[in-house]
Amino acid sequence: DTGVSQDPRHKITKRGQNVTFRCDPISEHNRLYWYRQTLGQGPEFLTYFQNEAQLEKSRLLSDRFSAERPKGSFSTLEIQRTEQGDSAMYLCASSRPAGEQYFGPGTRLTVT
Amino acid sequence: GENVEQHPSTLSVQEGDSAVIKCTYSDSASNYFPWYKQELGKRPQLIIDIRSNVGEKKDQRIAVTLNKTAKHFSLHITETQPEDSAVYFCAARPQTSYDKVIFGPGTSLSVIP
Repeated sequence: DTGVSQDPRHKITKRGQNVTFRCDPISEHNRLYWYRQTLGQGPEFLTYFQNEAQLEKSRLLSDRFSAERPKGSFSTLEIQRTEQGDSAMYLCASSRPAGEQYFGPGTRLTVT
Repeated sequence: GENVEQHPSTLSVQEGDSAVIKCTYSDSASNYFPWYKQELGKRPQLIIDIRSNVGEKKDQRIAVTLNKTAKHFSLHITETQPEDSAVYFCAARPQTSYDKVIFGPGTSLSVIP
């Protein structure tokens, strides 16, 4: 499968714990995006990478959220001290410059 | 920043009828407008897109129109089929956005056989 992949697909965690998600983009795509989607809403932009550089970060992203793309390939999104309001689907997408964004299947996070 | 609104939030049509979803955007500098379809439990998938230098684009039963003056764009699906049932999202890309897109809240389309 040469599409965007995400791991894990589901994560249940207790409030206060840290979680980390991984995204593997399509190999020739240098642009990678993280979005958050809650029930009944469209994806909300969180952050964006061009190769290994994080070029933009939404004001929605509190200091508890951090993302990396160390070698310009896969990316990780870490949430520290999770809160119930962090429960959502976390979507990753990748693209060529000015190209269509291809989405991964998402990681569904439930904070209990 | 860019803000995208979308109407209606839910839409039911009989199989074979047409469906129209309308979106407005706030940033006049936005230059790219994709539409995504998301089936239940699946990832969003691009179904059609339009750039700001084009007024209309068609792909089989799907068409999109863009009115830059009114900052308004619409998705038209003709001869709807049950497999068209899904949530549809419009989006806009601000010119200075590094390719990020801002999504509307979505329209849940149900096609009744």
